[in-house]
Amino acid sequence: GAVVSQHPSRVICKSGTSVKIECRSLDFQATTMFWYRQFPKQSLMLMATSNEGSKATYEQGVEKDKFLINHASLTLSTLTVTSAHPEDSSFYICSAPAAGSETQYFGPGTRLLVL
Amino acid sequence: QKEVEQDPGPLSVPEGAIVSLNCTYSNSAFQYFMWYRQYSRKGPELLMYTYSSGNKEDGRFTAQVDKSSKYISLFIRDSQPSDSATYLCAMESQGGSEKLVFGKGMKLTVNP
Repeated sequence: GAVVSQHPSRVICKSGTSVKIECRSLDFQATTMFWYRQFPKQSLMLMATSNEGSKATYEQGVEKDKFLINHASLTLSTLTVTSAHPEDSSFYICSAPAAGSETQYFGPGTRLLVL
Repeated sequence: QKEVEQDPGPLSVPEGAIVSLNCTYSNSAFQYFMWYRQYSRKGPELLMYTYSSGNKEDGRFTAQVDKSSKYISLFIRDSQPSDSATYLCAMESQGGSEKLVFGKGMKLTVNP
């Protein structure tokens, strides 16, 4: 099946710094990617839809100036958590639908810890 | 009422047991139904994918969809300790590029 990678897998940063997370589709092109956040013992919550060549679409309650999304190519989307705070500590997961497939493929996730 | 309801458990069963996991939903537009397995600290992996109503079997796993009742199930036969994980149901109204709506996830432990 299709493969989606994320980098880094784990990051620890100080409060106030910015963190960039990359999501790559390794063997297929994705015009759309999705970014999720998952808090402990909770389900995935969709944050935003990343669209190649256009602005991302954010879910209600998600600050677009805090969570910057760039979908620069058909295989790469980045999520930048700006001025991170401890409450941003979470597990961030991306997914992408492969063209011609009716399913979505998930990345392995990035665990962010803000001290 | 949430769009997708799933009992979060936890559920603990002995090895070899038959496990039944269920979700209900309220949006009649959903047509695509998925079950994902998520091991601790990992991303979800797709287990089963079903379009519309019916049954689908893959090895020890069977997915059932009853659109008239807005109810989906995942059965695991001869459960193994390696099946211990969180199982999330997910659904969408169009395949592929639409947003998935997830259940809360059920934490399953299979004891040897």
